[in-house]
Amino acid sequence: DAMVIQNPRYQVTQFGKPVTLSCSQTLNHNVMYWYQQKSSQAPKLLFHYYDKDFNNEADTPDNFQSRRPNTSFCFLDIRSPGLGDAAMYLCATSRGSGHITEAFFGQGTRLTVV
Amino acid sequence: GQNIDQPTEMTATEGAIVQINCTYQTSGFNGLFWYQQHAGEAPTFLSYNVLDGLEEKGRFSSFLSRSKGYSYLLLKELQMKDSASYLCAVMDSNYQLIWGAGTKLIIKP
Repeated sequence: DAMVIQNPRYQVTQFGKPVTLSCSQTLNHNVMYWYQQKSSQAPKLLFHYYDKDFNNEADTPDNFQSRRPNTSFCFLDIRSPGLGDAAMYLCATSRGSGHITEAFFGQGTRLTVV
Repeated sequence: GQNIDQPTEMTATEGAIVQINCTYQTSGFNGLFWYQQHAGEAPTFLSYNVLDGLEEKGRFSSFLSRSKGYSYLLLKELQMKDSASYLCAVMDSNYQLIWGAGTKLIIKP
């Protein structure tokens, strides 16, 4: 059974049109991450939540926002997608600091900007 | 700065053995992870090393030397389905995962 679920798997959006990607988890993990991954590159951390505490990476563009209304759900909002934002967006969870476990990934959402 | 290095691409033959190396320089160390990623899919966890030595899990083994900032992933009895990218990631002192760019492994019959 899928433990980290991302919807949709594929998303096409228009240039400049706001889009929201969703992630849910059944693991009850404290930490949720959003990564951006472009072809043949490492996943790039955009931000993460430790419980409700939001941590933004310094180089994450303001165009990217996130919400975590409860433990199970996390959303990535792209306010005005540009062509350069086309990528795979990966959501991951882990148990958190002090409990070293692997990060569990969702299947990803591939975003196309037209 | 923090840095993870691994070869961009490797080629091996079905049935053979291949070793994928990873070197790292990070602020602190809370373990090293190996992930497998097939094209267009999310990474899946393979192994975790936090102490020096070899961890074996079926056809896959992972080795760590903390003093050298070095790890390798060893894949035995290669199968065509092992064709994928293999990502090395280090958890730093802030419990953040620092990722390498991945090694694309091509398996030939």
